[in-house]
Amino acid sequence: GAGVSQSPRYKVAKRGQDVALRCDPISGHVSLFWYQQALGQGPEFLTYFQNEAQLDKSGLPSDRFFAERPEGSVSTLKIQRTQQEDSAVYLCASSEGARATEAFFGQGTRLTVV
Amino acid sequence: GDSVTQMEGPVTLSEEAFLTINCTYTATGYPSLFWYVQYPGEGLQLLLKATKADDKGSNKGFEATYRKETTSFHLEKGSVQVSDSAVYFCALSASGNTPLVFGKGTRLSVIA
Repeated sequence: GAGVSQSPRYKVAKRGQDVALRCDPISGHVSLFWYQQALGQGPEFLTYFQNEAQLDKSGLPSDRFFAERPEGSVSTLKIQRTQQEDSAVYLCASSEGARATEAFFGQGTRLTVV
Repeated sequence: GDSVTQMEGPVTLSEEAFLTINCTYTATGYPSLFWYVQYPGEGLQLLLKATKADDKGSNKGFEATYRKETTSFHLEKGSVQVSDSAVYFCALSASGNTPLVFGKGTRLSVIA
C-alpha cells in the first residue's frame, strides 16, 4: 500500500479481554515502531523492530504487552488482560532504514477498555 | 532522561495571524529536533527537522531554528491559514537509531 496501515481503527474491549492490533508497514521498510498515545499526551515509545528482530522493548509498560513481527513485515501488538489504563491510541510507524527520524506513521488504533 | 516541553493549547488564531508554538528540550549530547503535525483524522506527518545547532528547518511556510544555547526549537509561521488547523508535536531523537521523544502536543485552530 501507499502508507502504513493499521487495523482495526477502533477497538472496544471489556476489561480482562485480550486484544491484537495489526500494523502493515510500507513495503520494504526495515524498521517498525510502536507508540502509545494517551488522551491529551504525546506518543510514547513502546517497542522497535529491525526486520523480524525486536531490538528494543524498553517502553512496553508491563508483561501484558507483547509485540511480534515474525516475517519482518506485518507486526502485531498484543495486550493481554486489558485494563482501563490501557485505553489509548496505538501508533505504528515504519522507516526504510534504521533511522527512527524518517519514519512514516499510520493513523493509529484507538483502544477503549470498558 | 530526555524530554520535550511545548506550550499548552489550544491556540486559536485568525487567518493570516502570526504563529509561534514554543518548544524546549532536555537531552544529553546533541539531539535531532523535529516538528510533527497531525491533521484531523490523519496520522502523524513530519513537518520539519533540524539536526544540528543553528540549523533552520522549514516547510509549508513553517520554520524552526535549533537553538542550543536556549535548548529551544520554536515553531513559527508568518501567516496561518484555516488549513493549518491541526495538532503540532515537537520531538527529539538523541541519535539516529533511538526512538522519538515527543512533547504533549499543541492544538491549533485557525478561524476565517
